[in-house]
Amino acid sequence: DTEVTQTPKHLVMGMTNKKSLKCEQHMGHRAMYWYKQKAKKPPELMFVYSYEKLSINESVPSRFSPECPNSSLLNLHLHALQPEDSALYLCASSQDFGETLGYTFGSGTRLTVV
Amino acid sequence: SQQGEEDPQALSIQEGENATMNCSYKTSINNLQWYRQNSGRGLVHLILIRSNEREKHSGRLRVTLDTSKKSSSLLITASRAADTASYFCATVPTGNQFYFGTGTSLTVIP
Repeated sequence: DTEVTQTPKHLVMGMTNKKSLKCEQHMGHRAMYWYKQKAKKPPELMFVYSYEKLSINESVPSRFSPECPNSSLLNLHLHALQPEDSALYLCASSQDFGETLGYTFGSGTRLTVV
Repeated sequence: SQQGEEDPQALSIQEGENATMNCSYKTSINNLQWYRQNSGRGLVHLILIRSNEREKHSGRLRVTLDTSKKSSSLLITASRAADTASYFCATVPTGNQFYFGTGTSLTVIP
């Protein structure tokens, strides 16, 4: 298996809702990443997990809460989001954090906050 | 910002023509990578060039790197309609993770 699987593919949520995005990989990669991408912009790093521990939080608002239950799974819990949080959320993984030979990306979750 | 800048922002060519896009960056790098993104989808790794390399080929892709000018170019030869996508360079500062450039939107007209 050489893929990163993200679910759901599309999500519409109200500003008072709580939802979660899921990301899964079975390549044995020990680093996993969440990126946010607005239309016609490059992806922006949000969080990095290395060996199931949070290594980097790029000053992301607390309404985004990441979780890494095990080495194959990465979640992003969403609560009290704003319409400007609508974006494509991408998950990626790599063999190790700091191993910069190439990331494997999921297809993303298209999030719309209404 | 360590983000790379790409130009052109948008490029439209006829099928069969070559497409060239450029990336400039600010800091010393370990390597530079190019990614492709179809509309609203994830990114796909295309090619990596290390800081001690000047040119690299992969199929119809040719990448050059000029570390003295802090710039790279991606050439896609004999373009196809299926090459229509956004292309991002990703620079890897020494000893650090990488940062995506601003991207070039390529449209190949059949």
